[in-house]
Amino acid sequence: DAGVTQSPTHLIKTRGQQVTLRCSPKSGHDTVSWYQQALGQGPQFIFQYYEEEERQRGNFPDRFSGHQFPNYSSELNVNALLLGDSALYLCASSERRGYGYTFGSGTRLTVV
Amino acid sequence: AQKVTQAQTEISVVEKEDVTLDCVYETRDTTYYLFWYKQPPSGELVFLIRRNSFDEQNEISGRYSWNFQKSTSSFNFTITASQVVDSAVYFCALSEAASGSRLTFGEGTQLTVNP
Repeated sequence: DAGVTQSPTHLIKTRGQQVTLRCSPKSGHDTVSWYQQALGQGPQFIFQYYEEEERQRGNFPDRFSGHQFPNYSSELNVNALLLGDSALYLCASSERRGYGYTFGSGTRLTVV
Repeated sequence: AQKVTQAQTEISVVEKEDVTLDCVYETRDTTYYLFWYKQPPSGELVFLIRRNSFDEQNEISGRYSWNFQKSTSSFNFTITASQVVDSAVYFCALSEAASGSRLTFGEGTQLTVNP
């Protein structure tokens, strides 16, 4: 049974560019959450999607946006990249309103 | 607002020693969930335990044990007879029922177990 799959694993972008990260949830899970983890810090909640809509959002600017597809997979988009956006981006899936989260291995984004 | 504090940034022990990782949380909700995750160098967060606010029973799973005390808002994690493979960053996290299922993490504790 595949867990949460994220792609790509590593990414290097230039300041000002845009990036799209992808996540496939664990089989049977319909809710996807995204977290940003800066080096040496705990993960910070970005937003959560289920039924193809953003349901909750953390304290992140509008440059961060997302999408959920009918097959429950999700994308995280970041526009106008800043150096401070360099981080590990983690995707977590769960059943709707459930508290059993499964995390992926993350995408490490470096902005230069 | 919910908050999780892990005061120990780094802990270093010798193999077979017992080690306790501290976690203190803040919440105004009466219904909440507490978690511990392990993050090895690969980056993936590995789920260890979930405890709801109405269940203060301590739990033991092999070499791992958890002590939940609502009176002190603490949810501490003890590893007995530590092993080198236990070396990782450990995160405590909180989820309030009122805020949906979003997790608030502490800053993590880097545990190094030396042979």
